[in-house]
Amino acid sequence: QKEVEQDPGPLSVPEGAIVSLNCTYSNSAFQYFMWYRQYSRKGPELLMYTYSSGNKEDGRFTAQVDKSSKYISLFIRDSQPSDSATYLCAMSVAAGNKLTFGGGTRVLVKP
Amino acid sequence: KAGVTQTPRYLIKTRGQQVTLSCSPISGHRSVSWYQQTPGQGLQFLFEYFSETQRNKGNFPGRFSGRQFSNSRSEMNVSTLELGDSALYLCASSVRTGVNEQFFGPGTRLTVL
Repeated sequence: QKEVEQDPGPLSVPEGAIVSLNCTYSNSAFQYFMWYRQYSRKGPELLMYTYSSGNKEDGRFTAQVDKSSKYISLFIRDSQPSDSATYLCAMSVAAGNKLTFGGGTRVLVKP
Repeated sequence: KAGVTQTPRYLIKTRGQQVTLSCSPISGHRSVSWYQQTPGQGLQFLFEYFSETQRNKGNFPGRFSGRQFSNSRSEMNVSTLELGDSALYLCASSVRTGVNEQFFGPGTRLTVL
């Protein structure tokens, strides 16, 4: 079993809908949580970064971390076709560069 | 500000050969990390370099190695290539080590025949 599990999708939603993504993890030592977006043939792009439990909002994006359940979520409001991409969660034990990634969820927003 | 650049973008090699990939971080960034991305295993951490020193290492065999130069540019080398080494190799830079905000390059797609 992988340390970080993520449904591969694809997740197909109509334009304007809320996209809901999540990851579960097994290592309770993870403290730092990130969401990346990756377009085809591109490198991942950092979207959200949170430390420990709680919520964080940035524009149309909201990230939630529930450490008691070992569960993190990303919500995208008012989704646009340009949001169609693969979304990767990542986490680390300490502030640093050794990230453990989920397998990614492919999202398709239909006009 | 220019982003992370990786060269070459595409590479085809045969089993047993070796390959060197290059990464130039964002100007001012001194930490460089390397990742391997495959459909089966996803994104996996290879190693991190900061101030020309390897700071962290993932669970990859010794055939995978890297180095960093004084201008923060980094190279990774894979010797005795295997078919399973076919992957997208991504480089990420950050301002310093111990920082989670990493910025990824477009990757080098390596195909081993």
